[in-house]
Amino acid sequence: DVKVTQSSRYLVKRTGEKVFLECVQDMDHENMFWYRQDPGLGLRLIYFSYDVKMKEKGDIPEGYSVSREKKERFSLILESASTNQTSMYLCASRPTGTYGYTFGSGTRLTVV
Amino acid sequence: GEDVEQSLFLSVREGDSSVINCTYTDSSSTYLYWYKQEPGAGLQLLTYIFSNMDMKQDQRLTVLLNKKDKHLSLRIADTQTGDSAIYFCAESPAGAGNNRKLIWGLGTSLAVNP
Repeated sequence: DVKVTQSSRYLVKRTGEKVFLECVQDMDHENMFWYRQDPGLGLRLIYFSYDVKMKEKGDIPEGYSVSREKKERFSLILESASTNQTSMYLCASRPTGTYGYTFGSGTRLTVV
Repeated sequence: GEDVEQSLFLSVREGDSSVINCTYTDSSSTYLYWYKQEPGAGLQLLTYIFSNMDMKQDQRLTVLLNKKDKHLSLRIADTQTGDSAIYFCAESPAGAGNNRKLIWGLGTSLAVNP
């Protein structure tokens, strides 16, 4: 069964910490995405990557960076976590073309 | 700009049909999608429809597409309590550089009452 795996379901971090959220897919998809999901705001795209070492800003990249050193892994980095980054983070991958995304189970991050 | 709109809430009785509606603005969209999100989980692709189709049926699910009105609907027959979830509509714009991203609605929260 094809999968997108996010390394943590729940994380609690302190303000100012550097936070790494990891995502791995086993489908050889070119495209990978990081979203955050907040009540009433739906899914908002943070960053996406369409190839190894390639990245593009989404709609809300401020306060985040990403890394894609290998095709299967896409990391989201919060350089200095703040309380307004408390959210559900969803990773997804998609093959090039017009097929839908496959999502991970999400990481619920709380910044205290 | 590109936009996808859905009503936020729908409540139905178990056994009834549910109809979740969505409107979109990008007439060049090639595919339109319905995703389901159960509490505390990621999103799961339910079904999709290509823009040159009017209807697609898959077991209890029927998708209707009206391209003229840019209206998409998802009908769930014989709705069960396990169908309680948030349902997201999404479109795949056809513009150059856009085929990697989807445009999402805010989601419709479906409550199924016994």
